[in-house]
Amino acid sequence: AQSVTQLGSHVSVSEGALVLLRCNYSSSVPPYLFWYVQYPNQGLQLLLKYTTGATLVKGINGFEAEFKKSETSFHLTKPSAHMSDAAEYFCAIVNQAGTALIFGKGTTLSVSS
Amino acid sequence: KAGVTQTPRYLIKTRGQQVTLSCSPISGHRSVSWYQQTPGQGLQFLFEYFSETQRNKGNFPGRFSGRQFSNSRSEMNVSTLELGDSALYLCASSIGGVGEQFFGPGTRLTVL
Repeated sequence: AQSVTQLGSHVSVSEGALVLLRCNYSSSVPPYLFWYVQYPNQGLQLLLKYTTGATLVKGINGFEAEFKKSETSFHLTKPSAHMSDAAEYFCAIVNQAGTALIFGKGTTLSVSS
Repeated sequence: KAGVTQTPRYLIKTRGQQVTLSCSPISGHRSVSWYQQTPGQGLQFLFEYFSETQRNKGNFPGRFSGRQFSNSRSEMNVSTLELGDSALYLCASSIGGVGEQFFGPGTRLTVL
């Protein structure tokens, strides 16, 4: 069965600091991986995705993630945090049937000035 | 291009009632998925429809049902509401599969 584990339910950084949100997955088939962001009282917005090809994926708002098969990881990074990055972030994998997303529990990012 | 819309945005019901939530996907998208989001369980997949056919269903009781119309609009219904059904219900659409889903703002259901 596939699963997603996000290490750290809360991450706090200072404005301008590196953002690192961790995601590990379990999958018996080549995974399709996603990062979504959710702002308060809103739906989910796609940040970036990995399907095949280049393992370093660039997304919106300066975020990027690297697919590491050997580590079964897909960590999300941003070199310099902005106050507007404060939100909840979800890592997700497509299920084996290709019909649903399996989400991690989410990581709340706080950014202080 | 208009995004995914969900109506209503907020809903308050009492135990035992039933509720219907509506989702209009992005124009041209034929796949619609529904997810339940709660603080305790996180985001959980309910079901997915493609061209009016349910292709996949999550691990939810039969009180949760859905359908999709020929214009790809979808509805989900929850009967005999329980307190634990209080959640944010999210709808997502995609062109053909789950590959890249676009989410609506959600319907927040409160069961009293």
